[in-house]
Amino acid sequence: QVQLQESGPGLVKPSETLSLTCTVSGASMTSYFWTWIRQPPGKGLEWIGYNFYSGSANYNPSLKSRVTISVDTSKNQISLRLASVTAADTAVYYCARDWGSGVIDQWGQGTLVTVSS
Amino acid sequence: DIQMTQSPSSLSASVGDSVTITCRASETISKNLNWFQQRPGRAPKLLIYAASNLQSGVPSRFSGGGSGTDFTLTISSLQPEDFATYYCQQGFSVPRTFGQGTKLEIK
Repeated sequence: QVQLQESGPGLVKPSETLSLTCTVSGASMTSYFWTWIRQPPGKGLEWIGYNFYSGSANYNPSLKSRVTISVDTSKNQISLRLASVTAADTAVYYCARDWGSGVIDQWGQGTLVTVSS
Repeated sequence: DIQMTQSPSSLSASVGDSVTITCRASETISKNLNWFQQRPGRAPKLLIYAASNLQSGVPSRFSGGGSGTDFTLTISSLQPEDFATYYCQQGFSVPRTFGQGTKLEIK
């Protein structure tokens, strides 16, 4: 079955860059839009953006100047980089699969990233 | 961005009850509306896609409807495991956007 697993540092200092990786198994990397979504503690869901294997990325305008999502089909991995983080970026970060029609059907378990000095 | 507004924000009900959650989009999204369930400490789980299609493995007591700007999620005969938070999400355009969530609690 399809599995997505996030990994990366759980603590990042303010002004630094948050970097996460999502490893995918059981799914073709070239057939979907690979997505990152976040959820601050106790709050709702925020779509960060997605990328297709060919490099057709689309980002949330609220984060666009700071975010990069990459897809590495050779490693079955998706990466997220978020620059110049502040405490407001503290959240559980999920990687997920979007059919391209906006249906997000598979999610990783999520990883909590705390921004603090 | 398309704004998604859910109502109510919270809801109390008993096992066996039926409940309906509403989601309204700030502009028309055809039937590009999905519903998720999220239990504490867990990732969201897709329940309904394209407004009314039941995701594989989801119990038939969950149903969705609507098109354009107004949508509903109905849960009939509530079970203990249904008490969770529910989110709608539009897939019509980017950025994808979610409703603020509806927390369903046991009365």
